[in-house]
Amino acid sequence: EAGVAQSPRYKIIEKRQSVAFWCNPISGHATLYWYQQILGQGPKLLIQFQNNGVVDDSQLPKDRFSAERLKGVDSTLKIQPAKLEDSAVYLCASSLGLGRWDTQYFGPGTRLTVL
Amino acid sequence: SQQGEEDPQALSIQEGENATMNCSYKTSINNLQWYRQNSGRGLVHLILIRSNEREKHSGRLRVTLDTSKKSSSLLITASRAADTASYFCATDEVGAQKLVFGQGTRLTINP
Repeated sequence: EAGVAQSPRYKIIEKRQSVAFWCNPISGHATLYWYQQILGQGPKLLIQFQNNGVVDDSQLPKDRFSAERLKGVDSTLKIQPAKLEDSAVYLCASSLGLGRWDTQYFGPGTRLTVL
Repeated sequence: SQQGEEDPQALSIQEGENATMNCSYKTSINNLQWYRQNSGRGLVHLILIRSNEREKHSGRLRVTLDTSKKSSSLLITASRAADTASYFCATDEVGAQKLVFGQGTRLTINP
């Protein structure tokens, strides 16, 4: 079974530029998550989709971050414009359902450096 | 916001020894999960313990949960070099539909 795919793996941009990350979840997984992990910290949930609907985006900085999951499969996360404090690893995860017993499967992440 | 706090932040032991990591949290939970993250990789789910369970085992892993103290511990027995990683606890809070991760314990196993 293929895992969660993310691209690119690394990205370096200058502040005020835009950047987009892509995630393809495990086939058949209804729920998709985007996390931000700053160096030395645990992942923080940015947004959670079930199929193509948003379940939770309470911690997404909506003035600069946006995410979509068209057709309920893959997803993109965009930052526009980027700030220095956005430097982090962006992790995508998916789970079969939305139940609290569902295991989340994580992709390898995209490491973003904002200069 | 992060609910779980792991202790210690870093742990270094010799191969073959046991490693114990602790997690404390603040609110009522439905379950608590432990994840492992190898350097430069995504997280891997290790074990889930429900709020009505006190202890759970999986291979060399043993997890305990004390809801009265709002704390959990992860014990790795007979550690191996491959266990070197960061370990995170994540809580599923009552009333929420998301996991909240702690800051993690960085475990180093010395050969």
